[in-house]
Amino acid sequence: EPEVTQTPSHQVTQMGQEVILRCVPISNHLYFYWYRQILGQKVEFLVSFYNNEISEKSEIFDDQFSVERPDGSNFTLKIRSTKLEDSAMYFCASSDNQPQHFGDGTRLSIL
Amino acid sequence: AQRVTQPEKLLSVFKGAPVELKCNYSYSGSPELFWYVQYSRQRLQLLLRHISRESIKGFTADLNKGETSFHLKKPFAQEEDSAMYYCALENAGGTSYGKLTFGQGTILTVHP
Repeated sequence: EPEVTQTPSHQVTQMGQEVILRCVPISNHLYFYWYRQILGQKVEFLVSFYNNEISEKSEIFDDQFSVERPDGSNFTLKIRSTKLEDSAMYFCASSDNQPQHFGDGTRLSIL
Repeated sequence: AQRVTQPEKLLSVFKGAPVELKCNYSYSGSPELFWYVQYSRQRLQLLLRHISRESIKGFTADLNKGETSFHLKKPFAQEEDSAMYYCALENAGGTSYGKLTFGQGTILTVHP
């Protein structure tokens, strides 16, 4: 069964540095999402992406965040200048409508 | 604003006992509701969606619009059901493009 894949599984970054989290969605899917889960808290929606543009974003998704689908297969989340509070598990998901299929997540640790 | 509440953070039962994981939602439109499961060290996986009205791994969930609930039930819990369970809601219409709102999650532990 096709899967959403995310790399790296764990990213450790100094505060203030840029980080790029990568996702390869399922190949025939058209809708792409990023969620995050801070330790001990619920899974929170960050952004949805469809037809090469952001379709919806949450208040968490401020100017420090951006998403891109650079080559038709990868879907990336960039955090421009990381803060300590960005430490979380980041999940990518894709769908061809519903349901959403999730990746294993990237654990981002900001030092 | 849409909200999903799972009142129990932890739930423990013995093998063979019935189990019910509670989920309540608040949403003004026509919701689609899902249960996702996350087994130890694995990804979030879809367990059930309310529109399919099916039983997966012995679990069922019925949408009760009057009580705004979507509780997950299984008559006889098994040890392999031990996992984290998330209830999630999607805006079925409008322009939300599938955004899921999750509950806090319930850790189910089934003891032998």
